[in-house]
Amino acid sequence: GQQLNQSPQSMFIQEGEDVSMNCTSSSIFNTWLWYKQDPGEGPVLLIALYKAGELTSNGRLTAQFGITRKDSFLNISASIPSDVGIYFCAGSQGAQKLVFGQGTRLTINP
Amino acid sequence: GAGVSQSPSNKVTEKGKDVELRCDPISGHTALYWYRQSLGQGLEFLIYFQGNSAPDKSGLPSDRFSAERTGGSVSTLTIQRTQQEDSAVYLCASSLGLRGEETQYFGPGTRLLVL
Repeated sequence: GQQLNQSPQSMFIQEGEDVSMNCTSSSIFNTWLWYKQDPGEGPVLLIALYKAGELTSNGRLTAQFGITRKDSFLNISASIPSDVGIYFCAGSQGAQKLVFGQGTRLTINP
Repeated sequence: GAGVSQSPSNKVTEKGKDVELRCDPISGHTALYWYRQSLGQGLEFLIYFQGNSAPDKSGLPSDRFSAERTGGSVSTLTIQRTQQEDSAVYLCASSLGLRGEETQYFGPGTRLLVL
Protein backbone atom coordinates (compact mmCIF):
# COMPACT_ATOMS: atom_id res chain seq x y z
CA GLY A 1 0.00 0.00 0.00
CA GLN A 2 0.86 3.68 0.00
CA GLN A 3 3.77 4.53 2.24
CA LEU A 4 5.89 7.47 3.24
CA ASN A 5 9.67 7.34 2.91
CA GLN A 6 11.10 8.22 6.29
CA SER A 7 14.79 8.70 7.01
CA PRO A 8 17.00 7.93 8.67
CA GLN A 9 15.81 4.53 9.88
CA SER A 10 17.89 4.85 13.04
CA MET A 11 20.04 7.40 14.80
CA PHE A 12 22.64 7.02 17.54
CA ILE A 13 23.54 10.36 19.10
CA GLN A 14 25.05 11.90 22.21
CA GLU A 15 22.87 13.62 24.76
CA GLY A 16 22.63 17.31 23.96
CA GLU A 17 22.94 16.91 20.20
CA ASP A 18 20.31 18.11 17.78
CA VAL A 19 18.31 15.60 15.71
CA SER A 20 16.75 15.91 12.28
CA MET A 21 14.53 13.44 10.44
CA ASN A 22 12.30 13.76 7.40
CA CYS A 23 9.59 12.17 5.33
CA THR A 24 8.87 12.34 1.64
CA SER A 25 6.02 11.14 -0.52
CA SER A 26 5.07 10.93 -4.16
CA SER A 27 1.53 12.00 -3.17
CA ILE A 28 0.18 15.25 -1.81
CA PHE A 29 -1.11 15.28 1.74
CA ASN A 30 -3.36 17.85 3.41
CA THR A 31 -2.08 17.16 6.90
CA TRP A 32 1.26 15.98 8.23
CA LEU A 33 1.61 14.56 11.71
CA TRP A 34 4.57 13.49 13.80
CA TYR A 35 4.15 10.81 16.47
CA LYS A 36 6.48 9.26 19.06
CA GLN A 37 6.06 5.67 20.19
CA ASP A 38 7.59 4.27 23.36
CA PRO A 39 7.98 0.50 23.86
CA GLY A 40 4.66 -1.16 24.62
CA GLU A 41 2.66 1.98 23.98
CA GLY A 42 0.60 3.45 21.19
CA PRO A 43 1.92 6.43 19.20
CA VAL A 44 1.57 9.80 20.90
CA LEU A 45 1.01 12.92 18.82
CA LEU A 46 3.87 15.43 18.92
CA ILE A 47 3.04 18.00 16.26
CA ALA A 48 0.27 18.44 13.69
CA LEU A 49 0.74 20.52 10.53
CA TYR A 50 -2.22 21.68 8.45
CA LYS A 51 -0.88 24.22 5.94
CA ALA A 52 1.82 23.98 3.30
CA GLY A 53 4.89 25.88 4.44
CA GLU A 54 3.76 25.86 8.07
CA LEU A 55 6.52 25.78 10.67
CA THR A 56 5.39 24.72 14.14
CA SER A 57 7.24 24.30 17.41
CA ASN A 58 6.41 22.32 20.53
CA GLY A 59 9.09 22.91 23.13
CA ARG A 60 12.36 21.54 21.75
CA LEU A 61 10.57 20.07 18.73
CA THR A 62 10.12 21.90 15.44
CA ALA A 63 8.36 20.53 12.38
CA GLN A 64 7.63 21.91 8.94
CA PHE A 65 5.03 21.08 6.30
CA GLY A 66 6.81 21.21 2.95
CA ILE A 67 5.65 23.78 0.43
CA THR A 68 4.97 21.07 -2.16
CA ARG A 69 2.85 19.19 0.42
CA LYS A 70 4.92 16.10 -0.32
CA ASP A 71 7.40 16.28 2.54
CA SER A 72 7.92 17.22 6.17
CA PHE A 73 10.77 17.32 8.64
CA LEU A 74 11.08 17.11 12.40
CA ASN A 75 13.93 18.61 14.40
CA ILE A 76 14.69 17.97 18.06
CA SER A 77 17.10 20.36 19.72
CA ALA A 78 19.35 19.59 22.68
CA SER A 79 18.30 15.95 22.99
CA ILE A 80 17.70 14.42 26.43
CA PRO A 81 17.41 10.76 27.48
CA SER A 82 13.61 10.76 27.44
CA ASP A 83 13.66 11.57 23.72
CA VAL A 84 14.59 7.92 23.10
CA GLY A 85 11.93 6.09 21.11
CA ILE A 86 10.58 5.61 17.62
CA TYR A 87 9.36 8.64 15.70
CA PHE A 88 6.79 8.25 12.94
CA CYS A 89 5.63 10.69 10.34
CA ALA A 90 2.09 10.31 9.02
CA GLY A 91 0.14 11.96 6.26
CA SER A 92 -3.59 12.45 5.84
CA GLN A 93 -5.64 13.30 2.76
CA GLY A 94 -8.79 14.01 4.74
CA ALA A 95 -10.65 12.66 7.76
CA GLN A 96 -9.62 9.19 6.70
CA LYS A 97 -6.73 6.83 7.09
CA LEU A 98 -3.25 7.94 7.96
CA VAL A 99 -0.33 6.76 5.88
CA PHE A 100 2.74 6.16 8.04
CA GLY A 101 6.46 6.21 7.51
CA GLN A 102 8.56 3.26 8.64
CA GLY A 103 9.81 5.12 11.68
CA THR A 104 13.10 6.54 12.94
CA ARG A 105 14.54 4.80 15.98
CA LEU A 106 16.39 7.28 18.17
CA THR A 107 19.02 6.08 20.63
CA ILE A 108 20.82 8.51 22.92
CA ASN A 109 24.15 7.87 24.63
CA PRO A 110 24.39 9.75 27.92
CA GLY B 1 -12.21 8.09 29.85
CA ALA B 2 -9.69 10.68 28.81
CA GLY B 3 -8.06 8.62 26.09
CA VAL B 4 -8.59 5.71 23.74
CA SER B 5 -8.68 2.40 25.57
CA GLN B 6 -8.22 -1.08 24.16
CA SER B 7 -8.71 -4.56 25.53
CA PRO B 8 -7.23 -6.99 26.06
CA SER B 9 -3.74 -5.51 26.27
CA ASN B 10 -2.25 -8.89 25.37
CA LYS B 11 -3.76 -11.96 23.73
CA VAL B 12 -2.16 -15.31 23.08
CA THR B 13 -4.17 -17.73 20.98
CA GLU B 14 -3.76 -20.93 19.05
CA LYS B 15 -3.74 -21.03 15.28
CA GLY B 16 -7.25 -21.51 13.95
CA LYS B 17 -9.05 -19.86 16.87
CA ASP B 18 -11.12 -16.69 16.57
CA VAL B 19 -10.21 -13.53 18.51
CA GLU B 20 -12.08 -10.32 19.31
CA LEU B 21 -10.30 -7.06 20.05
CA ARG B 22 -12.13 -4.11 21.57
CA CYS B 23 -11.66 -0.36 21.27
CA ASP B 24 -13.28 2.43 23.28
CA PRO B 25 -12.68 5.76 21.52
CA ILE B 26 -12.45 9.18 23.10
CA SER B 27 -15.91 10.41 24.03
CA GLY B 28 -17.38 12.57 21.26
CA HIS B 29 -15.04 11.30 18.54
CA THR B 30 -17.10 10.16 15.58
CA ALA B 31 -14.24 8.69 13.56
CA LEU B 32 -12.52 5.46 14.58
CA TYR B 33 -9.60 3.67 12.93
CA TRP B 34 -7.90 0.30 13.22
CA TYR B 35 -4.23 -0.18 12.34
CA ARG B 36 -1.84 -3.11 12.53
CA GLN B 37 1.82 -2.83 13.46
CA SER B 38 4.14 -5.73 12.83
CA LEU B 39 7.38 -5.98 14.78
CA GLY B 40 9.72 -3.11 13.95
CA GLN B 41 7.41 -1.73 11.28
CA GLY B 42 5.23 1.29 10.75
CA LEU B 43 1.47 1.22 11.10
CA GLU B 44 -0.69 -0.37 8.42
CA PHE B 45 -4.24 0.93 7.97
CA LEU B 46 -7.02 -1.66 8.29
CA ILE B 47 -10.43 0.05 8.47
CA TYR B 48 -12.05 3.42 9.16
CA PHE B 49 -15.46 4.12 10.72
CA GLN B 50 -17.44 7.33 10.53
CA GLY B 51 -20.21 6.82 13.04
CA ASN B 52 -21.34 3.21 12.67
CA SER B 53 -20.56 2.91 8.97
CA ALA B 54 -17.25 1.89 7.46
CA PRO B 55 -16.60 3.90 4.29
CA ASP B 56 -13.11 2.49 3.94
CA LYS B 57 -12.36 -1.19 4.54
CA SER B 58 -9.57 -1.27 2.02
CA GLY B 59 -6.87 -2.26 4.48
CA LEU B 60 -8.45 -5.47 5.77
CA PRO B 61 -5.96 -8.14 4.64
CA SER B 62 -8.45 -10.97 4.10
CA ASP B 63 -12.07 -11.98 4.65
CA ARG B 64 -11.01 -13.47 7.98
CA PHE B 65 -10.87 -9.91 9.29
CA SER B 66 -14.03 -7.97 10.12
CA ALA B 67 -14.95 -5.05 12.31
CA GLU B 68 -18.10 -3.44 13.58
CA ARG B 69 -19.01 -0.38 15.54
CA THR B 70 -22.23 0.07 17.48
CA GLY B 71 -23.81 3.17 18.97
CA GLY B 72 -21.15 5.31 17.34
CA SER B 73 -18.77 4.36 20.11
CA VAL B 74 -17.20 0.98 20.88
CA SER B 75 -15.68 -1.02 18.04
CA THR B 76 -14.73 -4.68 17.82
CA LEU B 77 -12.16 -6.13 15.43
CA THR B 78 -12.64 -9.84 14.85
CA ILE B 79 -10.09 -12.17 13.33
CA GLN B 80 -11.42 -15.60 12.42
CA ARG B 81 -9.31 -18.73 12.05
CA THR B 82 -6.18 -16.91 13.17
CA GLN B 83 -2.88 -17.57 11.43
CA GLN B 84 0.65 -17.04 12.72
CA GLU B 85 1.14 -14.12 10.34
CA ASP B 86 -1.70 -12.32 12.17
CA SER B 87 0.64 -11.84 15.14
CA ALA B 88 1.10 -8.09 15.55
CA VAL B 89 0.06 -5.12 17.64
CA TYR B 90 -3.43 -3.94 16.73
CA LEU B 91 -3.88 -0.24 17.38
CA CYS B 92 -7.09 1.74 17.51
CA ALA B 93 -7.33 5.51 17.06
CA SER B 94 -10.13 8.05 17.12
CA SER B 95 -10.61 11.59 15.88
CA LEU B 96 -13.31 14.24 15.83
CA GLY B 97 -14.04 13.24 12.25
CA LEU B 98 -14.34 16.84 11.07
CA ARG B 99 -12.52 18.34 8.13
CA GLY B 100 -9.57 20.24 9.55
CA GLU B 101 -9.65 18.14 12.69
CA GLU B 102 -8.08 14.97 11.37
CA THR B 103 -5.66 14.45 14.24
CA GLN B 104 -5.91 10.84 15.39
CA TYR B 105 -5.29 9.79 18.97
CA PHE B 106 -4.12 6.26 19.59
CA GLY B 107 -4.81 3.68 22.22
CA PRO B 108 -2.07 1.50 23.76
CA GLY B 109 -2.79 -1.41 21.42
CA THR B 110 -3.52 -5.12 21.77
CA ARG B 111 -0.53 -7.39 21.34
CA LEU B 112 -1.70 -10.54 19.58
CA LEU B 113 0.44 -13.65 19.44
CA VAL B 114 -0.79 -16.62 17.42
CA LEU B 115 0.99 -19.84 18.27
